[in-house]
Amino acid sequence: DIQMTQSPSSLSASVGDRVTITCRASQSISSYLNWYQQKPGKAPKLLIYAASSLQSGVPSRFSGSGSGTDFTLTISSLQPEDFATYYCQQSYSTPVTFGPGTKVDIK
Amino acid sequence: QVQLVQSGAEVKKPGASVKVSCKASGYTFTSYGISWVRQAPGQGLEWMGWISAYNGNTNYAQKLQGRVTMTTDTSTSTAYMELRSLRSDDTAVYYCARRGSGLGYWGQGTLVTVSS
Repeated sequence: DIQMTQSPSSLSASVGDRVTITCRASQSISSYLNWYQQKPGKAPKLLIYAASSLQSGVPSRFSGSGSGTDFTLTISSLQPEDFATYYCQQSYSTPVTFGPGTKVDIK
Repeated sequence: QVQLVQSGAEVKKPGASVKVSCKASGYTFTSYGISWVRQAPGQGLEWMGWISAYNGNTNYAQKLQGRVTMTTDTSTSTAYMELRSLRSDDTAVYYCARRGSGLGYWGQGTLVTVSS
């Protein structure tokens, strides 16, 4: 199975900050990497697919980059509605696996 | 608009079975597969498997093999996930999600509580 790790596991940031979350795969997954945002009590929401493609309707302050084993999710200017937990997910091979999540909260 | 609407919360005793439904609308059901993902309280996301709504092919997570069955009813555009021999650590919110480029559409989640 492909193991996914994320760093940091949590971070505190202020509105307007630039936030970067890193995801690493235990082996190369090409660009088969997706990012999700989840708020308490809600289903996850797809933000980025195929490592860098912005899902329709998602604000352009979200961006993704990387390929192979190392990936990054960047929020260019954190907004109040962005405080949530973020998960990466590899869809290169089954079993599909998710990272453990990064919780972004208010400083 | 694409919608996935899941069945309601369930409380089950250890050893019992649960069957969760996921009714799709707003798209051609057979054009996309359905994945099932669960989330234990306070924990991360766990992929359970997926089913092709086109031909019924399935791919299950190895840890659930033998206990899980995913099916579809194309006449009602509904996907089902049945989990048998429930244990306390199966207590979780269960989600269905439409496969595509990522899991772009999700159901609202179904809480399954396993307790004696």
